[in-house]
Amino acid sequence: DSGVTQTPKHLITATGQRVTLRCSPRSGDLSVYWYQQSLDQGLQFLIQYYNGEERAKGNILERFSAQQFPDLHSELNLSSLELGDSALYFCASSEGSTETQYFGPGTRLLVL
Amino acid sequence: GENVEQHPSTLSVQEGDSAVIKCTYSDSASNYFPWYKQELGKRPQLIIDIRSNVGEKKDQRIAVTLNKTAKHFSLHITETQPEDSAVYFCAAKMSLDDMRFGAGTRLTVKP
Repeated sequence: DSGVTQTPKHLITATGQRVTLRCSPRSGDLSVYWYQQSLDQGLQFLIQYYNGEERAKGNILERFSAQQFPDLHSELNLSSLELGDSALYFCASSEGSTETQYFGPGTRLLVL
Repeated sequence: GENVEQHPSTLSVQEGDSAVIKCTYSDSASNYFPWYKQELGKRPQLIIDIRSNVGEKKDQRIAVTLNKTAKHFSLHITETQPEDSAVYFCAAKMSLDDMRFGAGTRLTVKP
């Protein structure tokens, strides 16, 4: 157990819908990262927050957005969902922005 | 954009043999290189990492080497065991703080 928690574990929804994924970092970690992993694919970096502020942006679609709250938990919002958005979404956290990242268990999203 | 390339995509070895996975990166400012192991349906777990001020790091059967000049780093697993079977990802922290991952190597250790 890495200490990073993610909810929900599984999510099934329909095209066009909007969902919110939640991540709680390890105690003391200020940075939160979001990744997308499609079936049998690698990890695509989406976005990083550090202490409430956006720090780095990867290949995140405009339909996706994220934020980090004062208590340091983060949410990833996915809207106008498409079939291709079906994937495992991982959250990771680290103490700062240069330290080791620890991954949560992931949220498996299925868009039908 | 900046990339991390990982080879091979699949690797099959006999139990007890060594396995080597190689990665190259393009951003010369990259300074942190972790390796993750991901078992089927599970989260990626850090197995070893190296920073740019070090050329080699070892932890029991696992070692990582870094060649900054050539911009490549490698994972070495000795005396492989069936439980080493998994997908391994290399990563490099880019100058803009984002972490770029390689495409992964599916390692199979045959008993």
